Amino acid sequence: DAMVIQNPRYQVTQFGKPVTLSCSQTLNHNVMYWYQQKSSQAPKLLFHYYDKDFNNEADTPDNFQSRRPNTSFCFLDIRSPGLGDAAMYLCATVGGSNQPQHFGDGTRLSIL
Amino acid sequence: AQSVTQLDSHVSVSEGTPVLLRCNYSSSYSPSLFWYVQHPNKGLQLLLKYTSAATLVKGINGFEAEFKKSETSFHLTKPSAHMSDAAEYFCVVSPTSGTYKYIFGTGTRLKVLA
Repeated sequence: DAMVIQNPRYQVTQFGKPVTLSCSQTLNHNVMYWYQQKSSQAPKLLFHYYDKDFNNEADTPDNFQSRRPNTSFCFLDIRSPGLGDAAMYLCATVGGSNQPQHFGDGTRLSIL
Repeated sequence: AQSVTQLDSHVSVSEGTPVLLRCNYSSSYSPSLFWYVQHPNKGLQLLLKYTSAATLVKGINGFEAEFKKSETSFHLTKPSAHMSDAAEYFCVVSPTSGTYKYIFGTGTRLKVLA
């Protein structure tokens, strides 16, 4: 089955220690997204790629960066995680602007 | 600018009774609309989508939604709730032409009572 896969499902890191979350897709979609979701809230868009074109949201902290080395893979790097960065991080893809997004199962990030 | 409003943050129903989750949207053009379900510690799963074809849309797990342009609504219904339907539900509107930013409602937490 074509899908969006996020690794790891659960990640624990220390305050200030860099962490990388990964996402891969077999759908061959041009657009990939990273969302941050805190408890009982809607997903909040951090950034998205159209192919290699990177689009950063204005309120995404500088602490958060992303890489997309090819169509299939996308990474979220958090350079110096703070306690407020503990959340579920969701990756999604879409094949066209009126099509539904396809989501991975997310990575739950905990900060010690 | 587009927006989407989910009118209830929490809905409780008894098992076997109907479910109604309400969603209103605002858009300067005819949007595509989606309902997603999210179970704890999982990603969002597409329940159904409206993309300017039939206004009554049938989805997975017995859910359906009706697009009403005159009321700018896209409410989600199910005739008979099951315990496994307990989850968070999000109504989402498609992006403005030329962008890829989807607009999410704030979510409705559905509780199903035995």
